[in-house]
Amino acid sequence: EVQLLESGGGLVQPGGSLRLSCAASGFTFSTYAMTWVRQAPGKGLEWVSGISDGGTRTYYADSVKGRFTISRDNSKNTLYLHMNSLRAEDTAVYCCVFPGGATIPESWGQGTLVTVSS
Amino acid sequence: EIVLTQSPATLSLSPGERATLSCRASQSVSSYLAWYQQKPGQTPRLLIYDASNRATGIPARFSGSGSGTDFTLTISSLEPEDFAVYYCQQRTSWPLSFGGGTKVEIK
Repeated sequence: EVQLLESGGGLVQPGGSLRLSCAASGFTFSTYAMTWVRQAPGKGLEWVSGISDGGTRTYYADSVKGRFTISRDNSKNTLYLHMNSLRAEDTAVYCCVFPGGATIPESWGQGTLVTVSS
Repeated sequence: EIVLTQSPATLSLSPGERATLSCRASQSVSSYLAWYQQKPGQTPRLLIYDASNRATGIPARFSGSGSGTDFTLTISSLEPEDFAVYYCQQRTSWPLSFGGGTKVEIK
């Protein structure tokens, strides 16, 4: 069974930084691209960032480009999102997403809440 | 970045009625479009991928169609558990993107 467990969220002041982690299990982590998706309170889904299976290719939404960095440690089956220069509009639940494969369905973590406020 | 526009924002229907949801892309996404369902307090559930393929375990009353820039999600006969918010997502190119969502509410 695929499990994705996010951690690292919390309350941070505007301009601050956080690092989110997503511990993955139940699939061969190193062979799949992974993504982060966020949802602000009462709002829709927003795709944030993605990373290739080997970690060499990274992608970002325009809203976070230059401030967020996605990375992964395949030896630890863990996905990261380094967030700098945080703004109030970054307040959201952040979920990591496993895209699934031929025999394994897509899976979302339950998410970690990031609140940016003074 | 490809922009997805969903319409209508809200759809008010009764159980048993047919729901038709639209998603329009700012440029062609070929058939690389997915549909999700989200209920309050839950993570999204993948319904349709590649425009018309139902994900594992999704009932046959859900169907997707379209290609290029115009896509449709149809729920043939609404069940009580289908009242939720639906999102489309393009998967043709990075960065990926979601539409703004359509809320299907009970009339």
